[in-house]
Amino acid sequence: GDSVTQMEGPVTLSEEAFLTINCTYTATGYPSLFWYVQYPGEGLQLLLKATKADDKGSNKGFEATYRKETTSFHLEKGSVQVSDSAVYFCALSDLRTGNQFYFGTGTSLTVIP
Amino acid sequence: GAGVSQSPSNKVTEKGKDVELRCDPISGHTALYWYRQRLGQGLEFLIYFQGNSAPDKSGLPSDRFSAERTGESVSTLTIQRTQQEDSAVYLCASSLSDTSLGGYSPLHFGNGTRLTVT
Repeated sequence: GDSVTQMEGPVTLSEEAFLTINCTYTATGYPSLFWYVQYPGEGLQLLLKATKADDKGSNKGFEATYRKETTSFHLEKGSVQVSDSAVYFCALSDLRTGNQFYFGTGTSLTVIP
Repeated sequence: GAGVSQSPSNKVTEKGKDVELRCDPISGHTALYWYRQRLGQGLEFLIYFQGNSAPDKSGLPSDRFSAERTGESVSTLTIQRTQQEDSAVYLCASSLSDTSLGGYSPLHFGNGTRLTVT
């Protein structure tokens, strides 16, 4: 069945460092891919999405490219800020097979000044 | 319009008691999901409702857990005879389910109900 695997944390970076959080997926169809973010004390919210191969999702300086050949959707940011400290979840969904959402286990990011 | 609303935001109960958690999805969203998030862990799928179809209950951890949804509106998650391991944040999310969107239908989450079983 469909599934998502993301790198385990926690990840600790200094401010302005480069961030990569790896995410790979397994899917029988052609899913949409998402990154969700959970800031401390808040609910999950959509960070970015990509709906087909080679699409690049971007938001708040974060980017992720839908790579069908490597079944990956790695999250990147060139220069992290303290305010980016949060838990990041990779997820997939395929409307054509029922719209079930599959989440990774989450990666905790802490950015230190 | 309003987002996904969950109530109560916090619930403390004694072991062995029943609890009922409520979720009001975004109006027009046909899909509704319940997830559980234990402290420091990821999202654990519990149950999924899609319109009038039979719900996907494959994630419910035991027969103490059940959920209902009336049409495309409110859903309630019931936990009977609560145990300490049921302590977690219970998240509800809703989404559109429309293939005309080309496969793009993100989840909108509520703020969750924090359940503590003492």
